[in-house]
Amino acid sequence: AQSVTQLDSQVPVFEEAPVELRCNYSSSVSVYLFWYVQYPNQGLQLLLKYLSGSTLVKGINGFEAEFNKSQTSFHLRKPSVHISDTAEYFCAVIPSYNTDKLIFGTGTRLQVFP
Amino acid sequence: DTGVSQDPRHKITKRGQNVTFRCDPISEHNRLYWYRQTLGQGPEFLTYFQNEAQLEKSRLLSDRFSAERPKGSFSTLEIQRTEQGDSAMYLCASSLEFWAADTQYFGPGTRLTVL
Repeated sequence: AQSVTQLDSQVPVFEEAPVELRCNYSSSVSVYLFWYVQYPNQGLQLLLKYLSGSTLVKGINGFEAEFNKSQTSFHLRKPSVHISDTAEYFCAVIPSYNTDKLIFGTGTRLQVFP
Repeated sequence: DTGVSQDPRHKITKRGQNVTFRCDPISEHNRLYWYRQTLGQGPEFLTYFQNEAQLEKSRLLSDRFSAERPKGSFSTLEIQRTEQGDSAMYLCASSLEFWAADTQYFGPGTRLTVL
């Protein structure tokens, strides 16, 4: 079975500082990897996804993530955050053999302070 | 493209009552998913449809839960004899095809509170 671990439930950071949100997954098969963002009172929005190819994936709003197969990680990074990045961020996987459903981590609350 | 819509956005009900939620996917999206999200947790898969066919149901979906997508367009999720443990955000998502590369687009969710 697949699982996703987001070790940091909350990450406080000052505006314009860099940030990294950690995501590790457990799977015996290859997976596709996703990061979603959930703003207050809004639905989940896809930030980026890794399917194959280059391990560095660029997404919307200046976010990027790097797939590391040996460490089974898919950490999300942004070099300079804005107040508007305050939201809940979810890492998710889909096993490549079963594309039916996303398996989510518990989320990381990013709080950006002025 | 008007996005995935869900109705109602909020529902408060008393224990033992039945509730029904509606999801309208993005037009022409073949796949429709239901997830449930409780406080402090990530969304958990409940069920999904390929057109009008319900192809998989999670063990989280007890016999009190039923979902339909009668014409392959909108879907309804009904919970009978609600319990306090059913209180959660119910999320709907849709995707064009059944390939993992195809993005699942989420609606804003229906927040259910069972008193």
